[in-house]
Amino acid sequence: ETGVTQTPRHLVMGMTNKKSLKCEQHLGHNAMYWYKQSAKKPLELMFVYNFKEQTENNSVPSRFSPECPNSSHLFLHLHTLQPEDSALYLCASSQEATGLAPYEQYFGPGTRLTVT
Amino acid sequence: RKEVEQDPGPFNVPEGATVAFNCTYSNSASQSFFWYRQDCRKEPKLLMSVYSSGNEDGRFTAQLNRASQYISLLIRDSKLSDSATYLCVVNGFDYAGGTSYGKLTFGQGTILTVHP
Repeated sequence: ETGVTQTPRHLVMGMTNKKSLKCEQHLGHNAMYWYKQSAKKPLELMFVYNFKEQTENNSVPSRFSPECPNSSHLFLHLHTLQPEDSALYLCASSQEATGLAPYEQYFGPGTRLTVT
Repeated sequence: RKEVEQDPGPFNVPEGATVAFNCTYSNSASQSFFWYRQDCRKEPKLLMSVYSSGNEDGRFTAQLNRASQYISLLIRDSKLSDSATYLCVVNGFDYAGGTSYGKLTFGQGTILTVHP
């Protein structure tokens, strides 16, 4: 399936590095999301973009910086990360994220990040 | 109380068995509900939406009890390929900048292993 793609699929970075995760959706959706999934924990919502506007920053540390240049693309810029930031980072999209819209989300394959 | 709570399992059942998963949610204003499936080291994928009247998709039946804030998933005639983690997902909403927007909250997941 190629509805939501993410690159890279795997990333190993040192604590002083700067890297970016990329997400692209081909579903014509207007909302995009970043989630973090750590071992044995539920998915944690990090950021929400609805019609390119950021609507949620779920108390995420500033070392994670999202960017949404258009409705199809979403980036997560990473800098000075900590080892505890190692996790699976998932991008998702949905038709929109307005009000009580019951729109299901579709996920990309994720980027498995290891911070050394 | 967790927003979405599931029995983490694991559930180990033989092929052909019937297995049921339960989920409770805390936000009575929640409007829509889903079950997602996540295979090991893969992204979550939508299994089915959950409707007020209950719904069925092949071997899978979902039920919703709004009064008790309870959702269930029943799998009949289990297959080896059903082995996965099943995520209970609830759509609520939050506010930012004076606008409400939808957000999904994920349960921790229930692990199912179907053995020959």
